[in-house]
Amino acid sequence: DIQMTQSPSSLSASVGDRVTITCQASQDISNYLNWYQQKPGKAPKLLIYDASNLETGVPSRFSGSGSGTDFTFTISSLQPEDIATYYCQQYDNPPTFGQGTRLEIK
Amino acid sequence: QLQLQESGSGLVKPSQTLSLTCAVSGGSISSGGYSWSWIRQPPGKGLEWIGYIYHSGSTYYNPSLKSRVTISVDRSKNQFSLKLSSVTAADTAVYYCARWGSGRFDPWGQGTLVTVSS
Repeated sequence: DIQMTQSPSSLSASVGDRVTITCQASQDISNYLNWYQQKPGKAPKLLIYDASNLETGVPSRFSGSGSGTDFTFTISSLQPEDIATYYCQQYDNPPTFGQGTRLEIK
Repeated sequence: QLQLQESGSGLVKPSQTLSLTCAVSGGSISSGGYSWSWIRQPPGKGLEWIGYIYHSGSTYYNPSLKSRVTISVDRSKNQFSLKLSSVTAADTAVYYCARWGSGRFDPWGQGTLVTVSS
C-alpha cells in the first residue's frame, strides 16, 4: 500500500496568515491526490481533487499543487472558520489517508 | 442533492458482528456508475478506508480488514451495508459511509459511533 506522510501534524497560525501543509507519497501517484477538511464532530468535506482542482463552492483561498510524490495544500489567508483538521488522500488503490494536520488559531 | 445517512447498533459486544446500513437519498444508488464506500475513524485518530462496492456489485476491501468485512447493496431500498465480524475494542470508531467516484469520497454521511464493549 502507498503510505502518505503529512506534515506538520499540528499548526497554529493567526487570522490572515498563509498556511501550508505538505503530503508526501511513498511512491509516484501522479496527481491522484485529494484534500479534505474535517471540523470537530463533523464528517470530512472534499476541498481539492486531483491535486489542484477546487471543488465547487469551496472558497478560492484554498488551493493545492504538486504531482508525483510531493503535494502542497495552501490557505492563502486564514479565516476563523478554517479551524479544522485537514487530510490528504491518495487513490492509487487501495486508497489511503495522511495522518491529518490539526490547524488552530494563534 | 445526494445525502447519505448511517444507521445501526451503537454498541456491539466483543467477538460479535457489527452491522451498519447507509441510506442514500436524493439520487439512485444505481445511477452514474458510482461505487459506495465505508470509512472509519477511531476516537481522536485518523481516517481508515474499509472497503467499497462497485456499481457492478463487486467489492474491494482494505487488506488489513478483508477477512472480516462484507459490504453489500440493496438497490430496491437504495441503501448499502457493512458487516464487520469478530470485533474487538480496536474496532471502536465513528463509521462513515460515502460515495466513491473518480478517486474521491464525496459526499459523506454524518457518521455513527460504534463502541465495542461488553
